Amino acid sequence: KNQVEQSPQSLIILEGKNCTLQCNYTVSPFSNLRWYKQDTGRGPVSLTIMTFSENTKSNGRYTATLDADTKQSSLHITASQLSDSASYICVVSPTGTASKLTFGTGTRLQVTL
Amino acid sequence: EAQVTQNPRYLITVTGKKLTVTCSQNMNHEYMSWYRQDPGLGLRQIYYSMNVEVTDKGDVPEGYKVSRKEKRNFPLILESPSPNQTSLYFCASSLGGLAGPYEQYFGPGTRLTVT
Repeated sequence: KNQVEQSPQSLIILEGKNCTLQCNYTVSPFSNLRWYKQDTGRGPVSLTIMTFSENTKSNGRYTATLDADTKQSSLHITASQLSDSASYICVVSPTGTASKLTFGTGTRLQVTL
Repeated sequence: EAQVTQNPRYLITVTGKKLTVTCSQNMNHEYMSWYRQDPGLGLRQIYYSMNVEVTDKGDVPEGYKVSRKEKRNFPLILESPSPNQTSLYFCASSLGGLAGPYEQYFGPGTRLTVT
């Protein structure tokens, strides 16, 4: 049972536009929630890490939000660029599991001209 | 340059032939982990290590072994590979355990095909 669900599965947007990716999780309690960017065939790269008490975290044009009450997180990309084309993965670190992560299956974003 | 390296990057092998995928990090990280990534399933953790000589199972450890004799190295061993282990494998490391706010660095991946 996947405890981290991401939507949409895939998304196509025009360069320069903004977009928001969603992550719903049932993992509770949790220590932190992470967003990764993964280019095709390459290792994921960390974008943001938020503890359960944080509401928002930014990294350049990427802004992640967290609502622990509704168990939702979102990743907002501002002024998209062609290089933003990648998969974006939401990951939750459950509390009390030593050191494991629960991964979402990702949103595939394609930015076009 | 701070990095996680994996070798080989690509490997095609036959069922039952033992193989080792090496992983090394130069950041003096305590925590290291192995993942496999399959279409539609996302990343799944195989094994992780909190420090030298300390390893533990992840979500899909069957058919794999690991060792952590040195802090920088964390090899993944497939004693008798089977076709269902065909996958893209990633090694990762971080300064501390993932319950803490430590950034995790991933290697470039090893694409394994078992025929």
